[in-house]
Amino acid sequence: KQEVTQIPAALSVPEGENLVLNCSFTDSAIYNLQWFRQDPGKGLTSLLLIQSSQREQTSGRLNASLDKSSGRSTLYIAASQPGDSATYLCAVPTGANSKLTFGKGITLSVRP
Amino acid sequence: DAGITQSPRHKVTETGTPVTLRCHQTENHRYMYWYRQDPGHGLRLIHYSYGVKDTDKGEVSDGYSVSRSKTEDFLLTLESATSSQTSVYFCAISESLVNEQFFGPGTRLTVL
Repeated sequence: KQEVTQIPAALSVPEGENLVLNCSFTDSAIYNLQWFRQDPGKGLTSLLLIQSSQREQTSGRLNASLDKSSGRSTLYIAASQPGDSATYLCAVPTGANSKLTFGKGITLSVRP
Repeated sequence: DAGITQSPRHKVTETGTPVTLRCHQTENHRYMYWYRQDPGHGLRLIHYSYGVKDTDKGEVSDGYSVSRSKTEDFLLTLESATSSQTSVYFCAISESLVNEQFFGPGTRLTVL
């Protein structure tokens, strides 16, 4: 059974720091990994989808990497801003119909 | 943003009553999913659909049923709501197995 872990559960940093959020998964037979952002009381916003054939994917200040063999992905946030404060979740598709298995998320707080 | 709406957005109901939640998409995507999100458990799949009239169970399907009579609509029904079904329910869509999943805004359901 696929398990997805995100540690730590919460993180507080001063504005301007470069951040790395980690995601690990137990079954490396995945064909992609998706990172989401969730603001309090809101839905999930897709940030990046990284295919298994890719090693990195970039969108603005965000960069996601994927290492299937070690079962790890990282989300790099450059020059963090208070507006980046949110919960970040990673998810991998599981089974024949791509049912997503989610980590429990990392709640990020960026202090002004 | 992907065209996904959920209705109602908030609902309070009593134990034992039937409840139907609706997910509507304008993207003509084949795959549709229902998840629930609970503190301490994260997001878990309830049911999913891989085409009109084609549905299957997820990991927490007990007490729920679904129907998909049209590509654009995916209904989640609680036949007899219980307090343990108090949760936030999210619908998601995906064009294919290797594409991103996009999430709706969620429905907050409270069962008293």
